[in-house]
Amino acid sequence: GESVGLHLPTLSVQEGDNSIINCAYSNSASDYFIWYKQESGKGPQFIIDIRSNMDKRQGQRVTVLLNKTVKHLSLQIAATQPGDSAVYFCAENMRNYQLIWGAGTKLIIKP
Amino acid sequence: NAGVMQNPRHLVRRRGQEARLRCSPMKGHSHVYWYRQLPEEGLKFMVYLQKENIIDESGMPKERFSAEFPKEGPSILRIQQVVRGDSAAYFCASSGGRGGTEAFFGQGTRLTVV
Repeated sequence: GESVGLHLPTLSVQEGDNSIINCAYSNSASDYFIWYKQESGKGPQFIIDIRSNMDKRQGQRVTVLLNKTVKHLSLQIAATQPGDSAVYFCAENMRNYQLIWGAGTKLIIKP
Repeated sequence: NAGVMQNPRHLVRRRGQEARLRCSPMKGHSHVYWYRQLPEEGLKFMVYLQKENIIDESGMPKERFSAEFPKEGPSILRIQQVVRGDSAAYFCASSGGRGGTEAFFGQGTRLTVV
């Protein structure tokens, strides 16, 4: 089947610590995977993506890891800040435009 | 350069009424995607349109829902005879080419059916 799911619905992290958000997927044929950030009342905002032929990709303060063996995706946020509070979605890209979304993980930053 | 503009931001309709949601893509973008989001859930693909063409409507309910993207003007998602279950946030995204990662999202329209 085609599904993208997340392990934890809520993640609380101390400000300044690193955050790791996990995602499982089941469709091995996807071209790439994308992480989105959605703040309350706003539309999703692209964070970073990774192609299926890569294991790791780094951006500014974020790193995405892809483990195709176990069909697992993770987003690491370094030195978490209050502005990182949001719901984070992983999405699986199919047919070059259709995104299959997971349920989301809510990231809460503790002061 | 304005981003993807959706209006209205909030829409309240009584059961049986029609809801019209508008999406103006980013300047220069000719590809539009509509998604639906229920509370505490991810987005569900509904339809992909290019100017005057529906490319993929596999995520659209067969009845009451329709979408268009005319040559001039915004893309319209139309829901006829709304029911309570239609209450959700509807997001539009646009891209200049075919591809999910190039897409930029609007702020969404939150439809409430009472």
